[in-house]
Amino acid sequence: QVQLQQWGAGLLKPSETLSLTCAVYGGSFSGYYWSCIRQPPGKGLEWIGEINHSGSTNYNPSLKSRVTISVDTSKNQFSLKLSSVTAADTAVYYCARADYYGSGKEYYYMDVWGKGTTVTVSS
Amino acid sequence: DIQLTQSPSFLSASVGDRVTITCRASQGISSYLAWYQQKPGKAPKLLIYAASTLQSGVPSRFSGSGSGTEFTLTISSLQPEDFATYYCQQLNRFGPGTKVDIK
Repeated sequence: QVQLQQWGAGLLKPSETLSLTCAVYGGSFSGYYWSCIRQPPGKGLEWIGEINHSGSTNYNPSLKSRVTISVDTSKNQFSLKLSSVTAADTAVYYCARADYYGSGKEYYYMDVWGKGTTVTVSS
Repeated sequence: DIQLTQSPSFLSASVGDRVTITCRASQGISSYLAWYQQKPGKAPKLLIYAASTLQSGVPSRFSGSGSGTEFTLTISSLQPEDFATYYCQQLNRFGPGTKVDIK
């Protein structure tokens, strides 16, 4: 059974860089997109971006200038970096596996999730 | 850009009730929709994908329907463990959520 284990710093100061690493255990790393999603306190879900095993990425346009997602296939891990954080980036950050099918990736859904990492940005 | 809306935002119901949540897309998205359940302090859980396909292990009291711009998630008989927030999702966007609370 596939599991995602995630870790990263929980408290950041404004202007620092958020780093989150997600490790995939118990399943194939290829054939999926590996996604990062966040949820500010008391609010809904926001998709941050994704990467596949080949390193192909897609990012949320609203965050694109600050986001980098990378992959280490030797470790079955992927990582999120979000630069220049502010209080607005305070959220629970999730890793998730995105399964998809269709010629244009039309059918796309997150079927395995990490437990979440709470990140607080405060001076 | 496609927008997803959900109604209602909040729903109060009793155990055993039939519950229906609606998700509307601002333009047609065929059946490219998924539904998630999220309980407080937990990660979302996939319930349904491709609008009506039940994810493995999800109880059959959950069902999804719709295509184009209007979709529904139905819980046929609400159970105590179903009190949660439900989100629809299409590609890289989520609906705002519907919280189902105990009446």
